[in-house]
Parts: sequence; C-alpha cells; structure tokens
Amino acid sequence: DGGITQSPKYLFRKEGQNVTLSCEQNLNHDAMYWYRQDPGQGLRLIYYSQIVNDFQKGDIAEGYSVSREKKESFPLTVTSAQKNPTAFYLCASTPRGGGSYEQYFGPGTRLTVT
Amino acid sequence: AQRVTQPEKLLSVFKGAPVELKCNYSYSGSPELFWYVQYSRQRLQLLLRHISRESIKGFTADLNKGETSFHLKKPFAQEEDSAMYYCAPGDSGNTGKLIFGQGTTLQVKP
Repeated sequence: DGGITQSPKYLFRKEGQNVTLSCEQNLNHDAMYWYRQDPGQGLRLIYYSQIVNDFQKGDIAEGYSVSREKKESFPLTVTSAQKNPTAFYLCASTPRGGGSYEQYFGPGTRLTVT
Repeated sequence: AQRVTQPEKLLSVFKGAPVELKCNYSYSGSPELFWYVQYSRQRLQLLLRHISRESIKGFTADLNKGETSFHLKKPFAQEEDSAMYYCAPGDSGNTGKLIFGQGTTLQVKP
C-alpha cells in the first residue's frame, strides 16, 4: 500500500517538552514538506527538503527542527522554543523538488500542548 | 512577497446552485496554479491544476492573468461538494513549494 504516513494521529505533550512527529513515504519522492494548519490561516510551510541530506526553512521555521537522513523519512521536532505549538501538522511529498508537481499529503498529526 | 487571497472564509449555497470560490494571487511570472480540497475526515488532496485544463467532479478553474485570479467554479453544487477548498499557486522560485491561501469552507445545503 503506497503512500505517505504520519504518526501518531493525536499527540499530547506538556509545555517545555520537545516532541517529534513522524512522516514516512514509500512513493520514492525526492521532496518532502511540513505544514502547519490553523483555522482561518490555511497551511503555512515550516520546513522543506528537496533532496536527502538537505533541507530549507519555510515561512514559520522558528521553534522547529527537521532532519532528512533517509529519502523515505522527514521527521519534525517541535521544540520548547515554539511559542504556540498546538496545531494540526501535515506532511507532504512530491516526486521532485523543483518545478510544480502535485503534492501528496499525509493524514496529519494533531498536537496538543498543555 | 508572494501572496494568495481567498476572500471568503465560508460560502454557503443550496444544492443545484452555481458555486464560485474566489482566489487572487500577487505574483510575478506565471506560476502553476492548483486547487486542493479537504473533505471531512479525509486527507488534503489535489482537485485540479491549471496546466491540465481538466474538469474534475464538475469543477473548472479559469486563470485570468490580467486580474491574477484563479477562481474555482461549478455550475450545479452537490451536497458531497461540501469541504474546505484551498487555492495554491506554486512558488516562483522553482522550489516545488506551494503557497496556500487561507481556505474557503463550502457548505452545500439540501
């Protein structure tokens, strides 16, 4: 079953703790993306990676970190420095990093920090 | 800066009525343009892209370069069209990024 998976579906953390969200794809896609979805604000890009071992900051990277050690995986760490971490997080991938391709989305992880 | 505006947060119509979801962008160049849809409890997915010029589920989108708009239209709305719709031009810097609008919730009433 091909596709892009995110785990867990729901995540709860205490303030001050770092938390890592998983994103895996078996589509053999080069590029992967992390978005944050908040009501009334659409999707905002956190980080993206056009190729393995490389990644760039998106529009709202502060308080987040990523790694891209394997083509299939692009985990996102929400650090304690992120001021408002409670949100719905979406991961996506595309076949190539340049040009304009359809982005394939995962089911999302809802993070609640109290 | 590249910006996308979807002026309506919520659009409510009756079944069978025409629908137009507005999208305006401020870009230089000729970005590739997409509409994505998120049905309840489903993943965000591509609805249509400008370059393919296809009609998907009865929806079409016309690019107006003069007005920099890419409005989504359907002549007769169905209840199953109720969803969140996002307009998303591609980034002009050839990075593969998409710039998403704020989204419009379409509610089709019976």
